Amino acid sequence: AQTVTQSQPEMSVQEAETVTLSCTYDTSESDYYLFWYKQPPSRQMILVIRQEAYKQQNATENRFSVNFQKAAKSFSLKISDSQLGDAAMYFCAYRAIFGNEKLTFGTGTRLTIIP
Amino acid sequence: DSGVTQTPKHLITATGQRVTLRCSPRSGDLSVYWYQQSLDQGLQFLIQYYNGEERAKGNILERFSAQQFPDLHSELNLSSLELGDSALYFCASSTGAANYGYTFGSGTRLTVV
Repeated sequence: AQTVTQSQPEMSVQEAETVTLSCTYDTSESDYYLFWYKQPPSRQMILVIRQEAYKQQNATENRFSVNFQKAAKSFSLKISDSQLGDAAMYFCAYRAIFGNEKLTFGTGTRLTIIP
Repeated sequence: DSGVTQTPKHLITATGQRVTLRCSPRSGDLSVYWYQQSLDQGLQFLIQYYNGEERAKGNILERFSAQQFPDLHSELNLSSLELGDSALYFCASSTGAANYGYTFGSGTRLTVV
């Protein structure tokens, strides 16, 4: 079964600085998708960024980018120029292409932005 | 507004009771997923429906059941409620395409007292 591990329960960063959140996963599949979701205090789950495993190029969405290391099964999220609105829980998630369509989530990293 | 509507937003009920949570998926999405998030925990997959049929089952208790209706809205029924069932219950919908991820509703906060 696929598993997703986020080893950093909490992280903090100064406003305007850069922070990297870690995620590792375990799968026997060769093709799959990876996602980062943000959950602010409102509890809404918001998709931040997605990565297709068969694409070597790392995904980027404005200030958010990923470092995808397929061989190492690592999928970290980098947030540049951190803003107060980035404070949230961040969840890494995995989805297989074939078979079960569920998203498997990690346990999350709580990110605090220090003004 | 994500396009996925969940009602009610909050629910407080007593142990042993039964409740129904409702979800209307985003327009055009055929898949509905239910997840449970206990306090400060990750999201646990409960069940998936696709176009009215159950497609996948996760760690859903026998006291819980769900269905998806012809208009594609879904209901999650929780019965014989226990204190430990207190959680945030999310519904999400998807086109079914793997690269899309999900669109989540805002959740139903269930408190069992």
